[in-house]
Amino acid sequence: DGGITQSPKYLFRKEGQNVTLSCEQNLNHDAMYWYRQDPGQGLRLIYYSQIVNDFQKGDIAEGYSVSREKKESFPLTVTSAQKNPTAFYLCASSVAGTGNSYEQYFGPGTRLTVT
Amino acid sequence: GDSVTQMEGPVTLSEEAFLTINCTYTATGYPSLFWYVQYPGEGLQLLLKATKADDKGSNKGFEATYRKETTSFHLEKGSVQVSDSAVYFCALRTNAGNMLTFGGGTRLMVKP
Repeated sequence: DGGITQSPKYLFRKEGQNVTLSCEQNLNHDAMYWYRQDPGQGLRLIYYSQIVNDFQKGDIAEGYSVSREKKESFPLTVTSAQKNPTAFYLCASSVAGTGNSYEQYFGPGTRLTVT
Repeated sequence: GDSVTQMEGPVTLSEEAFLTINCTYTATGYPSLFWYVQYPGEGLQLLLKATKADDKGSNKGFEATYRKETTSFHLEKGSVQVSDSAVYFCALRTNAGNMLTFGGGTRLMVKP
């Protein structure tokens, strides 16, 4: 089945540690995205990538880093510089370019708790 | 910049009641509009979309019509079920790029 996988579903870390969240897709999509969702709130864009080896900051990139070495993979690192890292993190992918077939497909999410 | 405004929740309904969740937007040009649904503890799933004015998106009994004159894309369902309990997000995409702008989400709770 084609789709997006995120692992793990739940992640616990101590304050001051970096942590990397995995996102893999087998939809052959060029574009990938990372969002953060806080309780009762909407989605905020952290980083996005339109093509391999290229990515851009979203609205709340401070304290996060990404890489895009392969088309299928777009890992997100939450660094110790992120002030409030506890949140639900969602990865998404889409075709690049315009067109009526556009939609973003979402993974199941990773809930990160930092204490 | 682009923005999406949704009615605040939670919306609490009895089973078989009529549902409306309001969504209005501000955008340059002619955006595509989307409704996504998020069930507890899961990611978002596309519910329906509309790509031009007067288009009606529909899926699983839900409908929304792209109203350019009122810049709205309200979600409706004639008879909700307990299984429809979820958070609903309205979103837009401008022709300028691949980004989605999301509203804040509206939680729907349906009681038996």
